[in-house]
Amino acid sequence: AQSVSQHNHHVILSEAASLELGCNYSYGGTVNLFWYVQYPGQHLQLLLKYFSGDPLVKGIKGFEAEFIKSKFSFNLRKPSVQWSDTAEYFCAVMDSGAGSYQLTFGKGTKLSVIP
Amino acid sequence: DAGVTQSPTHLIKTRGQQVTLRCSPKSGHDTVSWYQQALGQGPQFIFQYYEEEERQRGNFPDRFSGHQFPNYSSELNVNALLLGDSALYLCASSLSLTQGGSPLHFGNGTRLTVT
Repeated sequence: AQSVSQHNHHVILSEAASLELGCNYSYGGTVNLFWYVQYPGQHLQLLLKYFSGDPLVKGIKGFEAEFIKSKFSFNLRKPSVQWSDTAEYFCAVMDSGAGSYQLTFGKGTKLSVIP
Repeated sequence: DAGVTQSPTHLIKTRGQQVTLRCSPKSGHDTVSWYQQALGQGPQFIFQYYEEEERQRGNFPDRFSGHQFPNYSSELNVNALLLGDSALYLCASSLSLTQGGSPLHFGNGTRLTVT
């Protein structure tokens, strides 16, 4: 079974600081990778996704993530965070093979940005 | 607006009772997935419905069952409730034609408390 590890439970940053949230997955086959974000009081929203091709993917609101296959990692980055980035971030993986529809999530990382 | 609507938003039940949660997918979507999110955890896959049939199931007991209707809406039923079933239940919809790479659109969830 797949598993997803997010290294940090809670990250606190000041505005304009750079962000990197770690994500590692256990599955050795071909995968689709996602980052979802949940702003306070809102539903989970897709931040960005990786299916194939360029391992550096760009998402909404200036976020990007890099897929490193050899490290089974898909870390999320943002050069300069804003107070409005305060949210919980979830990394998720799906086996891209036929017959697989299950998205496996990490436990999430709560990001608090201090103005 | 989430696009995916869930009802009710909150529910309190007693151990041993049965509960039904409802979900209407985003317009144009034909696939519905259900996830359970316990406090401090990431969402866990319960099952997915497509063409009114359960297409894949996660590691949940038979007490968890579901249904999909011809209009693509869905219900999640949980029988013989346990205290451990207390969680946020998330419904997510997607398009079957892009399976594997179809991002999930989540609702706001139903908060179930079992006393």
